[in-house]
Amino acid sequence: QKEVEQDPGPLSVPEGAIVSLNCTYSNSAFQYFMWYRQYSRKGPELLMYTYSSGNKEDGRFTAQVDKSSKYISLFIRDSQPSDSATYLCAMRGYSGAGSYQLTFGKGTKLSVIP
Amino acid sequence: NAGVTQTPKFQVLKTGQSMTLQCAQDMNHNSMYWYRQDPGMGLRLIYYSASEGTTDKGEVPNGYNVSRLNKREFSLRLESAAPSQTSVYFCASRDPGQGLETQYFGPGTRLLVL
Repeated sequence: QKEVEQDPGPLSVPEGAIVSLNCTYSNSAFQYFMWYRQYSRKGPELLMYTYSSGNKEDGRFTAQVDKSSKYISLFIRDSQPSDSATYLCAMRGYSGAGSYQLTFGKGTKLSVIP
Repeated sequence: NAGVTQTPKFQVLKTGQSMTLQCAQDMNHNSMYWYRQDPGMGLRLIYYSASEGTTDKGEVPNGYNVSRLNKREFSLRLESAAPSQTSVYFCASRDPGQGLETQYFGPGTRLLVL
């Protein structure tokens, strides 16, 4: 079992819909949880991050972490065509000798149809 | 302020050929990273450099070498390319004042090995 599981989609929704993107993980040592957005043929860019369990809101985006279930979510309200991208979840884990690494999900490709 | 730049943008190699992927950042970041991104596999760390003069292996280092030439530049070398190294390669850097999660990615190099 991979440490981070993410449904690759693709996910297609109409403009204005609420989008829910999810990841599950197996490593209970993960403490920081991130969402990156990657437009086609571009590098990933950090969208949001949360520490431990709870919710974090930024405009139309809400990140949610449930450590007891090892489950994280990203909600997009009032989705726009400009939200069409691949969304990657990532988690920070300890790799030894004072070093931390990021483990990424495979990414979910989202299309918002006008 | 260009951020993270990568050259070349696209390259075709024959099996057994060598090449060096170049990465530079102008944000005065200490840490730099090389990832590869494959369909269905997500982003995987190849090598990283926590600071000038140091390099460490990531999850998939076999077949690659790196050089941290100075604080700005971090290159990735394929000594004898194999078709399994066909991928999109991303360089990233991290601000020492930010957590590991704030990584800034370059636009990527698409490599095809025939």
